[in-house]
Amino acid sequence: AQSVSQHNHHVILSEAASLELGCNYSYGGTVNLFWYVQYPGQHLQLLLKYFSGDPLVKGIKGFEAEFIKSKFSFNLRKPSVQWSDTAEYFCAVIPRGTGANNLFFGTGTRLTVIP
Amino acid sequence: ETGVTQTPRHLVMGMTNKKSLKCEQHLGHNAMYWYKQSAKKPLELMFVYNFKEQTENNSVPSRFSPECPNSSHLFLHLHTLQPEDSALYLCASSQDFTGTGNSPLHFGNGTRLTVT
Repeated sequence: AQSVSQHNHHVILSEAASLELGCNYSYGGTVNLFWYVQYPGQHLQLLLKYFSGDPLVKGIKGFEAEFIKSKFSFNLRKPSVQWSDTAEYFCAVIPRGTGANNLFFGTGTRLTVIP
Repeated sequence: ETGVTQTPRHLVMGMTNKKSLKCEQHLGHNAMYWYKQSAKKPLELMFVYNFKEQTENNSVPSRFSPECPNSSHLFLHLHTLQPEDSALYLCASSQDFTGTGNSPLHFGNGTRLTVT
């Protein structure tokens, strides 16, 4: 069965520190990849997505993610975090060509940024 | 403003109660979804509707009953729930349901359900 692993459950950083959140998936075929973010008290919203092309994708608020096919990974990065980045981050995968629009989510990583 | 509105925000119900969760999307999307978010577990897809037709039922117990009267509205009817059903129930919509995953989901704020 497909699965998405986010290894860090809770990350605590000081402002201006660099961020990398890990995401690995288990599906062997072609996939579409997403990062969603949920700020405190708000709804889940799309941060960035990868469908094809340049494996380094840029999203909103200075976030980027790199797809490494050989490692089945799609890690999220930001060079310098801000207090406002405190949120929960979810990696998600849709296997392509399966006839379903089922987004498989990871368990999420809670990021706390200390001012 | 998310464009996907869920009511109520919080719901406490006993195991013998019947209640309904409501979702409305104002985005003109054609597909709508129910997800369950439990602590320390991945979001679980429960139901998918495409153009009002149910296309996915992810082995959800019959005590959860979805209804989609039109492309803008989605309900989740609840009856004889168990305490382990306590969770955040998220509604989402997407422009289409092509199977390619090119249509990102837009989520509502969720309904926090507590079953006592």
